[in-house]
Amino acid sequence: NAGVTQTPKFRILKIGQSMTLQCTQDMNHNYMYWYRQDPGMGLKLIYYSVGAGITDKGEVPNGYNVSRSTTEDFPLRLELAAPSQTSVYFCASSQSRGLTEAFFGQGTRLTVV
Amino acid sequence: DAKTTQPNSMESNEEEPVHLPCNHSTISGTDYIHWYRQLPSQGPEYVIHGLTSNVNNRMASLAIAEDRKSSTLILHRATLRDAAVYYCILRDVGTIASNTGKLIFGQGTTLQVKP
Repeated sequence: NAGVTQTPKFRILKIGQSMTLQCTQDMNHNYMYWYRQDPGMGLKLIYYSVGAGITDKGEVPNGYNVSRSTTEDFPLRLELAAPSQTSVYFCASSQSRGLTEAFFGQGTRLTVV
Repeated sequence: DAKTTQPNSMESNEEEPVHLPCNHSTISGTDYIHWYRQLPSQGPEYVIHGLTSNVNNRMASLAIAEDRKSSTLILHRATLRDAAVYYCILRDVGTIASNTGKLIFGQGTTLQVKP
């Protein structure tokens, strides 16, 4: 079982560049989430989606955009990368809104220089 | 979002039980108590969750206070592989219209296991 797959695993961006972090899940989960984790800190919610075509902001959405055109995919777009976006990004999915577990990907480590 | 309070760090000896506490005094009736852990350089993984009754699974046990204002994650025999950051999270299941299933992470408890 693949679960939640994130690509790429590592990326170095220059200031002002853009990129898309990919996240796909094969469990037919409606709920998907993007988090970032700075060194030594807990995870912060960036954006989430409760189904295809529905997205909403989390705790730290500035500088990011998302889309959810299919149940499987939930890409995170960084426009005009800044050093403050250097972080590890995790994608997660869940079958229900809290009655079951959430599954996390292995993360994308992004450095903006 | 209801908040939780956990100790920053704890130590345990290998093959001994570990009790990881969590306070959640503002818990609401529709909050489930979830525990996740994060091994070094990995994404978080689910450990256990419960609402009111104590819960057991192959990884751990969850003891929930009668007033639900606190809970304890119990690892029955700690191994070196259990060294991780453990997060206690309240997940509001609410209603379909009002809830998103968001997991809001705090700082967690860093568990060190000594051989």
